[in-house]
Amino acid sequence: GQQLNQSPQSMFIQEGEDVSMNCTSSSIFNTWLWYKQEPGEGPVLLIALYKAGELTSNGRLTAQFGITRKDSFLNISASIPSDVGIYFCAGCSNTGNQFYFGTGTSLTVIP
Amino acid sequence: EADIYQTPRYLVIGTGKKITLECSQTMGHDKMYWYQQDPGMELHLIHYSYGVNSTEKGDLSSESTVSRIRTEHFPLTLESARPSHTSQYLCASRLRDRGRAFFGQGTRLTVV
Repeated sequence: GQQLNQSPQSMFIQEGEDVSMNCTSSSIFNTWLWYKQEPGEGPVLLIALYKAGELTSNGRLTAQFGITRKDSFLNISASIPSDVGIYFCAGCSNTGNQFYFGTGTSLTVIP
Repeated sequence: EADIYQTPRYLVIGTGKKITLECSQTMGHDKMYWYQQDPGMELHLIHYSYGVNSTEKGDLSSESTVSRIRTEHFPLTLESARPSHTSQYLCASRLRDRGRAFFGQGTRLTVV
């Protein structure tokens, strides 16, 4: 299957700091999705992106669909303790019915 | 809010038992998926379905089977559970090729 690489793999930040993470693929996608997962729960959809260059916000979260269509970025502003979790990107091409997940970024926010 | 449900949430069973994990969605989504995930690790696709009577194996080899007799229901069956099957199983669904995918809460399976 497709391999999506997320970086960084983990982050330890102080409350109030901004966070940036990205996801890259060797293939072109026409949809990018960002999820947050807390321990013992299923992933929860945060943001969906459908067009190259698109910039979409959801509260303190902002995600962008890369111009090359092979990457996407997620930013969290003014982090708070409840932002703790694992953030996954997922990409979907128009050639198949599958969508592929990144390796995840584990976020820890220190009060 | 997503209307996709998995049961049970937690299951502890003995080796060799047959089990079925349930997944149901009320959104009328055609496409449904099963993922296996170890704690803190990435998701691995084990089965997916395009619609009723269509099922495909995913990238991760699995000893499980699935069926899709009704649009809203996509159960996963393990004929003979083994300790190596201990993991979290996540079900997801989406409406169309570019549609957003929604997940259930997962089933945490432990085989002893």
